[in-house]
Amino acid sequence: DTGVSQDPRHKITKRGQNVTFRCDPISEHNRLYWYRQTLGQGPEFLTYFQNEAQLEKSRLLSDRFSAERPKGSFSTLEIQRTEQGDSAMYLCASRAGAYNEQFFGPGTRLTVL
Amino acid sequence: AQSVTQLGSHVSVSEGALVLLRCNYSSSVPPYLFWYVQYPNQGLQLLLKYTTGATLVKGINGFEAEFKKSETSFHLTKPSAHMSDAAEYFCAVSRDNNNDMRFGAGTRLTVKP
Repeated sequence: DTGVSQDPRHKITKRGQNVTFRCDPISEHNRLYWYRQTLGQGPEFLTYFQNEAQLEKSRLLSDRFSAERPKGSFSTLEIQRTEQGDSAMYLCASRAGAYNEQFFGPGTRLTVL
Repeated sequence: AQSVTQLGSHVSVSEGALVLLRCNYSSSVPPYLFWYVQYPNQGLQLLLKYTTGATLVKGINGFEAEFKKSETSFHLTKPSAHMSDAAEYFCAVSRDNNNDMRFGAGTRLTVKP
């Protein structure tokens, strides 16, 4: 059994570049979540998918951010025109149903220079 | 709207001493409450959760937490700290099947030999 995986684990980019992260949830988990965690803070909810449908988005998710889950399996989170304030850990989580535990991946640490 | 306040960003205890990490929540509806642990460079791992029923919840690694509605608290305790307990601990709240889980800022636990 594999847990939630995220790729890459670390990403360093220059301001203004676009970056894309991938999350592979636990198989058969229909719900998938993205969070952002900055230093010294807890994770902040960004967006949520049920199967391929993006059902909820936080106000934190500016128009430079876009997330997809095209086939209801893996998901991608893209940040366009990165800014230094985007530097954070981006966490993905999945769960099997509304009342089940969320399982978190190890995160992708983004550094914007 | 739900929110979580974790009192104390850093807690230091001696090995073998009681661990007490404080969490207070705010919720307009009956809450679901969670404690997660995060080790360096790893994702979050669920320690325990309260949904309904018994207010004293036992989790992994000897941790437990008690839901006190009158005090809007969900403090995490462990009778005897172990060196391996050193990590960041996050309290979180969500509504019944709300997918918007709100995390506290975290408490870093240090265990001294």
